[in-house]
Amino acid sequence: AQTVTQSQPEMSVQEAETVTLSCTYDTSESDYYLFWYKQPPSRQMILVIRQEAYKQQNATENRFSVNFQKAAKSFSLKISDSQLGDAAMYFCAHYTSGTYKYIFGTGTRLKVLA
Amino acid sequence: GAGVSQSPSNKVTEKGKDVELRCDPISGHTALYWYRQSLGQGLEFLIYFQGNSAPDKSGLPSDRFSAERTGGSVSTLTIQRTQQEDSAVYLCASSLVDEKTQYFGPGTRLLVL
Repeated sequence: AQTVTQSQPEMSVQEAETVTLSCTYDTSESDYYLFWYKQPPSRQMILVIRQEAYKQQNATENRFSVNFQKAAKSFSLKISDSQLGDAAMYFCAHYTSGTYKYIFGTGTRLKVLA
Repeated sequence: GAGVSQSPSNKVTEKGKDVELRCDPISGHTALYWYRQSLGQGLEFLIYFQGNSAPDKSGLPSDRFSAERTGGSVSTLTIQRTQQEDSAVYLCASSLVDEKTQYFGPGTRLLVL
């Protein structure tokens, strides 16, 4: 069974600094996708970044980038130049085409300190 | 364009009552998912609809939970004889199967007294 583990329940970062959120997953599938979603207090889940497993290059979206280590089954999110608006819950998710299911981690609460 | 919408935004009900939660997916999205998010927890898969195929109901926690999707668009999640443990945020998401990325609605917060 696929699992997603986020071992950091809470993280803090100073404004303008860089923070890395960890995520590990377990799967026997070869065709899968990985996602980071952000959930602010408004509850709306917002896609931050996605990574296709077949791509070796790490995905980047402006200040957000991932470190995808396929052999280690690790998918961490790096946020550069942190802003107050980055404060939220961050969820890592795994999707396989075979099951059409997304498996989510338990989330990491990110606090940004002014 | 319009995103995924859900109604009501909040629902307070008494134990034993039935509730209906509605989800309007993004137009053209054939895949639709329901999740439950309990306080401080991750997302628990409930049910998945894809086009006209039979839904994947493997995540429904009991037979008190049911869902339907009419005309391949709007979906309704029904919880019968609500219990206090049903209190949670219910999230709906839709996607194009080929695109793989889910787009979420704002959720319905259900409180069972």
